[in-house]
Amino acid sequence: EAQVTQNPRYLITVTGKKLTVTCSQNMNHEYMSWYRQDPGLGLRQIYYSMNVEVTDKGDVPEGYKVSRKEKRNFPLILESPSPNQTSLYFCASSSEAGARWESPLHFGNGTRLTVT
Amino acid sequence: GEDVEQSLFLSVREGDSSVINCTYTDSSSTYLYWYKQEPGAGLQLLTYIFSNMDMKQDQRLTVLLNKKDKHLSLRIADTQTGDSAIYFCAEIPPLMNSGGYQKVTFGTGTKLQVIP
Repeated sequence: EAQVTQNPRYLITVTGKKLTVTCSQNMNHEYMSWYRQDPGLGLRQIYYSMNVEVTDKGDVPEGYKVSRKEKRNFPLILESPSPNQTSLYFCASSSEAGARWESPLHFGNGTRLTVT
Repeated sequence: GEDVEQSLFLSVREGDSSVINCTYTDSSSTYLYWYKQEPGAGLQLLTYIFSNMDMKQDQRLTVLLNKKDKHLSLRIADTQTGDSAIYFCAEIPPLMNSGGYQKVTFGTGTKLQVIP
């Protein structure tokens, strides 16, 4: 089954403790992206990757890192989490940056992160 | 940057029609999408419209596009309890307006509640 898999689904951590949220897709998609979803703000893009070893900042990259060493994986790293990073995070992938209707974004089921 | 705006909440009775509205930012956007987010899940593409169309109908869904006012709407006929979800509109600006990268910009999302 074609899917984007995120882990974990839920994560509670404390300020400053490094964490990684994993994302993997099995569709051989070149484009992958991370979003955070906050009430009243919709989805905001954190980082994206057009292909292996090619990553770039989205709208809200501060406090986050990513890597794309393999095509299928795109982990999101929070080196020193802070409470304002408490949010619902989504990983997404597509064959063409979601820019055509034939290649829409495929989303994971989300990771709810709480930083205390 | 400018926001893609939606009202946050809509409540309808089962069997009635629902109309979800969206104001987008770039009148030259090539594709406009509606994504649906069911509880506990990621977003899924629901329908789309090309910028050269005024209307698109797909079973119970009707998408209307007013390019002059940069207004997009999604009408759901005979709304069912299974339609309860958050609905996001999204736009794809032309390649020339986005530095060579066709970024998907999401609206703030409208939570549709269907009352039995």
